[in-house]
Parts: sequence; structure tokens; C-alpha cells
Amino acid sequence: EVQLVESGGGLVQPGGSLRLSCAASGFTFSSYWMSWVRQAPGKGLEWVANIKQDGSEKYYVDSVKGRFTISRDNAKNSLYLQMNSLRAEDTAVYYCARVFRVVVPAALAFDYWGQGTLVTVSS
Amino acid sequence: QSALTQPASVSGSPGQSITISCTGTSSDVGGYNYVSWYQQHPGKAPKLMIYDVSNRPSGVSNRFSGSKSGNTASLTISGLQAEDEADYYCSSYTSSSLVVFGGGTKLTVL
Repeated sequence: EVQLVESGGGLVQPGGSLRLSCAASGFTFSSYWMSWVRQAPGKGLEWVANIKQDGSEKYYVDSVKGRFTISRDNAKNSLYLQMNSLRAEDTAVYYCARVFRVVVPAALAFDYWGQGTLVTVSS
Repeated sequence: QSALTQPASVSGSPGQSITISCTGTSSDVGGYNYVSWYQQHPGKAPKLMIYDVSNRPSGVSNRFSGSKSGNTASLTISGLQAEDEADYYCSSYTSSSLVVFGGGTKLTVL
């Protein structure tokens, strides 16, 4: 059974940093592009970042470029999102998602999602 | 990139069919056959229901179908069931080589 379990969310002040983690199991993690997708409270979904199977290619939505870094450790079956210079508008539930269809650099569809981890940016 | 436009809410009675629209432009929905649909129950993770406009992933009921005409994609749910009550989101590839989501539609089963 495919499982994605996020962790690392919490309350952080504006300008602060957080590192999200996603533990993957039940599939060959190293064979898939992976993504982070976020959902602000009561709002819709927004793709945040993609990473290729070997970590050699990474893509970001404009609003997080230069502040967020996606990475992975295939030996640990883990995906990460380092978030720096956090802003109030980054407040959201962050989902780790497996990419089902990709046309580089876009993840066209996500077939498995974690339950999400809430990041709240507030003073 | 602006979000795709979906109706805020739709409703239907059990057994009926409903359609949710997703309107974009020729730079996204109209330009590519890369529209996906997701179902999200409250407090839960999204679930992929349709990809590439009209394809269903393994395990998704054939009561769910997708189509596209011009700049508008549609998700149709036939034989509506109580468990279908959820939020539905569309997404599309864009000419900026990114993916954009719709604002979401709340489906109420009366």
C-alpha cells in the first residue's frame, strides 16, 4: 500500500524557517517524480514544487522561488521542503504527492497524496 | 497564472447526474489535453479521479467521466451517491509549462 506521511509543520513567525519531511512507503520511491502541493485554509490547491527521480531537476512556483528548496533522499525514501523567509501567505496545509503524469517540468497529475501538514506563519 | 474557473457549488439528488465545469483559456485548458480532476472530502487528501481530460485511474468508478470542449473541461458524475458529496478541483497544464488548479466546486447531494 502506497503511503506518504508528512511531518514538520507548525507555527512560525514571519521571516522564519521550517523544514517539511515526507516519508514514502509501498512503492519504489526512486522511480517517481515527487511534488509538494499546498492548500491555504478554506482555499484551493496550489502546486509548489517538483523534483525529478534523481533530484537533478527541480521546479518551483514563482511565489516561492529563492525561498523554498525541494530535495529528496532516495536511500531514506524521503522528500523534503526547506522553507525560508516565510510569509503570512505561505500559511497552508502542505501535501506531499506522487506524480502520476509528467511533461517536464509540469506535474500533470498526482495519484497519491499524504494527509498534509499545517504550516502557520504568524506573529 | 490565474486559477481556472469553477462554479462554487453544484447540487443534485441521489441517482441523478451532475456536471462540473472548469473554464480556462487557449493557453491552458483549450490548448492541451492535460486536464485532471480531484475529489477531496473534508479534512482529507485529494484523490485523483480523471487525468488527461477523460482517463480514469485504476479503481475509480466509471460513474465519473471527463470531457472537454474548447476552453472548458467538464466532470460528469452519473448515478449520484451520498459518498460523492465533496469538493472537486480541476487542474490543467499551461503554456508556462506549469500546472494550475481551479478554485474548487462543492458538490452537495440533496
